[in-house]
Amino acid sequence: DVKVTQSSRYLVKRTGEKVFLECVQDMDHENMFWYRQDPGLGLRLIYFSYDVKMKEKGDIPEGYSVSREKKERFSLILESASTNQTSMYLCASSYPQVNEQFFGPGTRLTVL
Amino acid sequence: AQRVTQPEKLLSVFKGAPVELKCNYSYSGSPELFWYVQYSRQRLQLLLRHISRESIKGFTADLNKGETSFHLKKPFAQEEDSAMYYCAFNYGNNRLAFGKGNQVVVIP
Repeated sequence: DVKVTQSSRYLVKRTGEKVFLECVQDMDHENMFWYRQDPGLGLRLIYFSYDVKMKEKGDIPEGYSVSREKKERFSLILESASTNQTSMYLCASSYPQVNEQFFGPGTRLTVL
Repeated sequence: AQRVTQPEKLLSVFKGAPVELKCNYSYSGSPELFWYVQYSRQRLQLLLRHISRESIKGFTADLNKGETSFHLKKPFAQEEDSAMYYCAFNYGNNRLAFGKGNQVVVIP
């Protein structure tokens, strides 16, 4: 079974803090993705990566950055957290030619 | 740009009744479409994709290019079908655009 894990299920941070969300997959997938999931808005793509050291902006990259130093790990960084970044964050991974994405359990981030 | 539209946010149906979730997409080429499902306290997972043309858990979805639709249907809803359903569309390079989701509640 593909396993995508995220470092925290719940996280509470203060405005202005730097926040790191970690995602690890164990299936040697090249592609990795970060989404945020909000009620009434569905899933929106923040950033994605096709390979180590590669990253591409998604639909809503503002206020976020990412890092992919190893193939299995994809980190989402909030440089200076703001209250409008309170959300559920989902990580996903997939093979390059297969469009089924495998999702992690999510991290519910609250920014106070 | 909104590539996938799911018009209803909440759908309540009685057990045994048919359920249909609507999905329309905006794309001029040959689309690749999916339905993902998220049960309570579980992670988001693939339910079915249009290219496999299979029935999963009694659900089917047919791609209608003329109407640019990919509606999800099940003839007899079960309580375990209560979940959030997302239609998704591949818009290139393995990126998926998701609709806003449908919350389905099956009433016993």
